[in-house]
Amino acid sequence: SAVISQKPSRDICQRGTSLTIQCQVDSQVTMMFWYRQQPGQSLTLIATANQGSEATYESGFVIDKFPISRPNLTFSTLTVSNMSPEDSSIYLCSVPQGGTDTQYFGPGTRLTVL
Amino acid sequence: QKEVEQDPGPLSVPEGAIVSLNCTYSNSAFQYFMWYRQYSRKGPELLMYTYSSGNKEDGRFTAQVDKSSKYISLFIRDSQPSDSATYLCAMSAGGFKTIFGAGTRLFVKA
Repeated sequence: SAVISQKPSRDICQRGTSLTIQCQVDSQVTMMFWYRQQPGQSLTLIATANQGSEATYESGFVIDKFPISRPNLTFSTLTVSNMSPEDSSIYLCSVPQGGTDTQYFGPGTRLTVL
Repeated sequence: QKEVEQDPGPLSVPEGAIVSLNCTYSNSAFQYFMWYRQYSRKGPELLMYTYSSGNKEDGRFTAQVDKSSKYISLFIRDSQPSDSATYLCAMSAGGFKTIFGAGTRLFVKA
């Protein structure tokens, strides 16, 4: 199994500012995923981060708003840029679990934008 | 229409009850079907995984997939207060393009 930690666990930010969320995995993985979980909504994939290449963003998400770094096989960051109250959400990172389409998730970062 | 529909609840049951959680979907290409459990202020954790159709049992949990009806279910027998959580159905056609339901909040009363 994989153990994933995220920092910060929660934050309250002012609109217009940016927040960088860190995701650390206790083993080397090729793929890491970033999700958003808005209140009452389903988990939505923001992007897939592969080490050594540009992140792949899903429809509706752009690099300027959610830049991602993947400097090595155990770490990734997601930045939420120029935040607005609509960005208030839980942000989760995950990694593949075995050879199936299942995933291990981190504990999440709870973001509130005022 | 959403690709995956899940009743958000909340669902409240007494301890010991049988719980039935369900999702419907529209994409016939889905082959991987999952149920995740998410406790408050925690990330989702995989509970059950099924490939294609059929049933799968693990202790008090049974997952069923009916691809002809595009309908999946999770049954919890002898429910416990510790089962109180949000249950997310999820499905994928492969390649980790996973679509999640909105989750059903379950409360099991002692």
